[in-house]
Amino acid sequence: EVQLVESGGGLVQLGGSLRLFCAASGFTFSSYEMNWVRQAPGKGLEWVSYISGSGSNIDYADSVKGRFTISRDNAKNSLYLQMNSLRAEDTAVYYCVRDMGRGWALDIWGQGTMVTVSS
Amino acid sequence: QSALTQPPSASGSPGQSVTISCTGTSSDVGAYNYVSWYQQHPGKAPKLMIYEVSERPSGVPDRFSGSKSGNTASLTVSGLQAEDEADYYCCSYAGSKKVVFGGGTKLTVL
Repeated sequence: EVQLVESGGGLVQLGGSLRLFCAASGFTFSSYEMNWVRQAPGKGLEWVSYISGSGSNIDYADSVKGRFTISRDNAKNSLYLQMNSLRAEDTAVYYCVRDMGRGWALDIWGQGTMVTVSS
Repeated sequence: QSALTQPPSASGSPGQSVTISCTGTSSDVGAYNYVSWYQQHPGKAPKLMIYEVSERPSGVPDRFSGSKSGNTASLTVSGLQAEDEADYYCCSYAGSKKVVFGGGTKLTVL
């Protein structure tokens, strides 16, 4: 079964750091581009970051650029998101999402991990 | 990276059709045929319903269809069923490895 499972979320203080993990299974992880997408409580979806299959191409939403770092370990079938200098507006469910390879569509979503930034 | 514009709500009775619009700009929706639509039930992860404007992934009922004209994309749900009640989000490629989502539309089946 194709599956993405996130972990690492939790409660963190303003200005703190957190590292999210995503474990992939059921498909050839290195062949797929991956993304992080977040959803603040009661709000819509927001794209956060992209990484190519090899990890050589990376991009970020302006709202997190310079604070978040996306990475992957294809040997471990894992995707990561290092989040630093966290702000209240970073509070959200973070989803690990696979790019299907057609039209920038996101076909496999994890169940999400909640990040709460508290003052 | 401004969000795409969707109506906050839409509704229809069982068996009817409803169309949800998604308006972007000439830099995203208008520039690429890379519009996708996602269905999200409360407390669940989003599910891909349409990609490349009008293509359906395997397993998505043909009651769901997509189209695009200029800077506006649309999702039509025909033969509305109770289980179609959910939030729907459009998404477009915006160049430079970035995608942008719409604000979401809450579809109510009356």
